Amino acid sequence: GQQVMQIPQYQHVQEGEDFTTYCNSSTTLSNIQWYKQRPGGHPVFLIQLVKSGEVKKQKRLTFQFGEAKKNSSLHITATQTTDVGTYFCAVNTGNQFYFGTGTSLTVIP
Amino acid sequence: DGGITQSPKYLFRKEGQNVTLSCEQNLNHDAMYWYRQDPGQGLRLIYYSQIVNDFQKGDIAEGYSVSREKKESFPLTVTSAQKNPTAFYLCASSIFTDGYGYTFGSGTRLTVV
Repeated sequence: GQQVMQIPQYQHVQEGEDFTTYCNSSTTLSNIQWYKQRPGGHPVFLIQLVKSGEVKKQKRLTFQFGEAKKNSSLHITATQTTDVGTYFCAVNTGNQFYFGTGTSLTVIP
Repeated sequence: DGGITQSPKYLFRKEGQNVTLSCEQNLNHDAMYWYRQDPGQGLRLIYYSQIVNDFQKGDIAEGYSVSREKKESFPLTVTSAQKNPTAFYLCASSIFTDGYGYTFGSGTRLTVV
């Protein structure tokens, strides 16, 4: 199946610090999606990126698609305890999306 | 409100028994998916269906079976052939087959003892 590497696997930050998770592919991607899963919950769709170099923002969250369309990042500015959860990227393989292993974010108050 | 309903939320079964997990959606989505999630791991695709009466195997289909007799319903059967069935099972749906934003159900946590 599609290989997509997501790093880091775990991240602990103090509340107010920034956080970034990266998704890397060995092949060029048509698009990429990001999801958030709260502890004990289910994944919730955040955003889809399609264009090379695309940057989208949702309040404190900034999503970026690399120029070569092989990597993407999610950056959270000034984390809050509500940001706790696992963030997944998902890449299109034609008929379905292949999910990365996720980055688990812990925010220390 | 539109959404995906998975039931039950928690399920306990004895080893060797088949069990069927329910997934119903009223979003009028064409495509539906079943994922398995193990602790600390990502989502692995079991089966997916793009239209009624058609479905395809995902990466870990062995020991599972599905049906898609209605657009709204995509039940998953975990058979006794599945060697390690204890996991969190997530059902999802999307408008287009290329997954323009999956909507997930709240999941079923299956424990086999």
